[in-house]
Amino acid sequence: DAEITQSPRHKITETGRQVTLACHQTWNHNNMFWYRQDLGHGLRLIHYSYGVQDTNKGEVSDGYSVSRSNTEDLPLTLESAASSQTSVYFCASRSGNTGELFFGEGSRLTVL
Amino acid sequence: AQTVTQSQPEMSVQEAETVTLSCTYDTSENNYYLFWYKQPPSRQMILVIRQEAYKQQNATENRFSVNFQKAAKSFSLKISDSQLGDTAMYFCAYPIQGAQKLVFGQGTRLTINP
Repeated sequence: DAEITQSPRHKITETGRQVTLACHQTWNHNNMFWYRQDLGHGLRLIHYSYGVQDTNKGEVSDGYSVSRSNTEDLPLTLESAASSQTSVYFCASRSGNTGELFFGEGSRLTVL
Repeated sequence: AQTVTQSQPEMSVQEAETVTLSCTYDTSENNYYLFWYKQPPSRQMILVIRQEAYKQQNATENRFSVNFQKAAKSFSLKISDSQLGDTAMYFCAYPIQGAQKLVFGQGTRLTINP
């Protein structure tokens, strides 16, 4: 079965360190997204991609970057982690037929 | 601005009761889909139901149904015969930019009590 996986599921890091969260999907979807989830804010869009070599900023993109070298992967990089980036991060890919988003299981990041 | 609003941060009902979660949105799109997602304590995001805006008939999925009022830009979720497993956060969402991105509401935390 097709799926979308994130790693690591949990990570603790220190302020100033670079962190990369991996996202891999086997749906063969062109559109992929990174969201962060914080209490009281729902899910907020960080970055998204409509295909290989395409990346776009979402509403909370400062301090984050993504790259899309193939269809399957969209890694999210925190260049210099800050305590404000402590959150749960969700990767998703979008079905072109239904518009539905398929989500990974989330990655909980703690920045100390 | 295109936004989604869920006005009920928390709700609590007894098992077997019916509960309705509200959602209002603001879009300039003409043809679009609306979604309700469920997030149980496991944290997994699960699609509950999808409504196509150009269809007048409200979508239903077993115990879940929507009341879609396009003119009022309202999209509420009704859960009938609620079960303990329905306890979760519920998010409504709709696409923007030609249905390429989803915008999510703040969520409603629903608790079903035995």
